[in-house]
Amino acid sequence: GDSVTQMEGPVTLSEEAFLTINCTYTATGYPSLFWYVQYPGEGLQLLLKATKADDKGSNKGFEATYRKETTSFHLEKGSVQVSDSAVYFCALRVQGGSEKLVFGKGTKLTVNP
Amino acid sequence: EAGVAQSPRYKIIEKRQSVAFWCNPISGHATLYWYQQILGQGPKLLIQFQNNGVVDDSQLPKDRFSAERLKGVDSTLKIQPAKLEDSAVYLCASSSTGGTNQPQHFGDGTRLSIL
Repeated sequence: GDSVTQMEGPVTLSEEAFLTINCTYTATGYPSLFWYVQYPGEGLQLLLKATKADDKGSNKGFEATYRKETTSFHLEKGSVQVSDSAVYFCALRVQGGSEKLVFGKGTKLTVNP
Repeated sequence: EAGVAQSPRYKIIEKRQSVAFWCNPISGHATLYWYQQILGQGPKLLIQFQNNGVVDDSQLPKDRFSAERLKGVDSTLKIQPAKLEDSAVYLCASSSTGGTNQPQHFGDGTRLSIL
């Protein structure tokens, strides 16, 4: 079945450090890929998305590129801020049938000043 | 626009009791989802509605969970009787129709604790 695997957390970085959170997927069709962010006590917010191979999603300084050959969608940011502290979820949605999102387990990021 | 509204924010009950959650999606959104998020895991879809019809309830434990969306707008999710393993955050999301590229908008969730 469809699944998403994220790197294990938690991840702790200093402000202005470079961030990478790895995400790989398994899907039977041609998925759209997403990164969601969840701040403490809040619901999930869409951070960025990519709908086909080689697409790059970007938002708020975060980027991720849809790599079909490696079935990956790694999240990167060049310089993290304390306000980026949150849990990040990689997710996929396969075209056709149910439009449900399949999520990874999430990676908790803490950024220290 | 107003976001997805959920209530209550928190609920504590004892096992074998019943509980209900309410969700009001973004105005005009035809598709509504209920997800279960257990601590340390990603959300898992329980049920998906398109207007007032069920599209996918394959992962809903139907012996104890039920959900309805009678008028195609707001929705309730019920657990009866609750088990300890039902402790989780229950997230509601909605999206407009128009294909798989429509984003899902999430509410803040209801945190359920079973004693």
